[in-house]
Amino acid sequence: DVKVTQSSRYLVKRTGEKVFLECVQDMDHENMFWYRQDPGLGLRLIYFSYDVKMKEKGDIPEGYSVSREKKERFSLILESASTNQTSMYLCASRPGTGIDTQYFGPGTRLTVL
Amino acid sequence: KNQVEQSPQSLIILEGKNCTLQCNYTVSPFSNLRWYKQDTGRGPVSLTIMTFSENTKSNGRYTATLDADTKQSSLHITASQLSDSASYICVVSALRSNYQLIWGAGTKLIIKP
Repeated sequence: DVKVTQSSRYLVKRTGEKVFLECVQDMDHENMFWYRQDPGLGLRLIYFSYDVKMKEKGDIPEGYSVSREKKERFSLILESASTNQTSMYLCASRPGTGIDTQYFGPGTRLTVL
Repeated sequence: KNQVEQSPQSLIILEGKNCTLQCNYTVSPFSNLRWYKQDTGRGPVSLTIMTFSENTKSNGRYTATLDADTKQSSLHITASQLSDSASYICVVSALRSNYQLIWGAGTKLIIKP
């Protein structure tokens, strides 16, 4: 079974703090993704990575950065957290290109006070 | 603009009953359409993927249909169970856009005993 794990299920941070969200997958997948999910909206892509050290901006990259130093690990960084970044953050991985399914982690619910 | 709209926003049915969820999309050129199930506090899990040439696909008690001419899809759940309580999300991918998916906001389904 594919397993995608995220470092925290719940996180509370203060405005201006630097926040790291970690995601690890154990299936040697090429592609990894970070989304945020807000009530009443579809998932929105923040960043994705199709290979180690490679990254591409998604639909809403402002205020975020990412790091992929190893194939299995994809980190999302909030350089200076703001209250409008309070959200559910979902990490996903996928084997390669084409119509492969994305496999999701359990999510991290981040609250910025 | 590429969009995916789902209806209804929420639905409550009694255990054992059938239901149908709707998805309309304006994504072009179309590549494939997926239905995901998301339990509360969990990441989405893939139920079905359909390409342009597929009209119906089943996964146990879940049956998805696709009408590429009218750009509509439906997810039919037969003999509902309490464990079917979840959000069901329709996701559409455009050709030449393997990394980016257009996500619907989901239908929240509640099964009552």
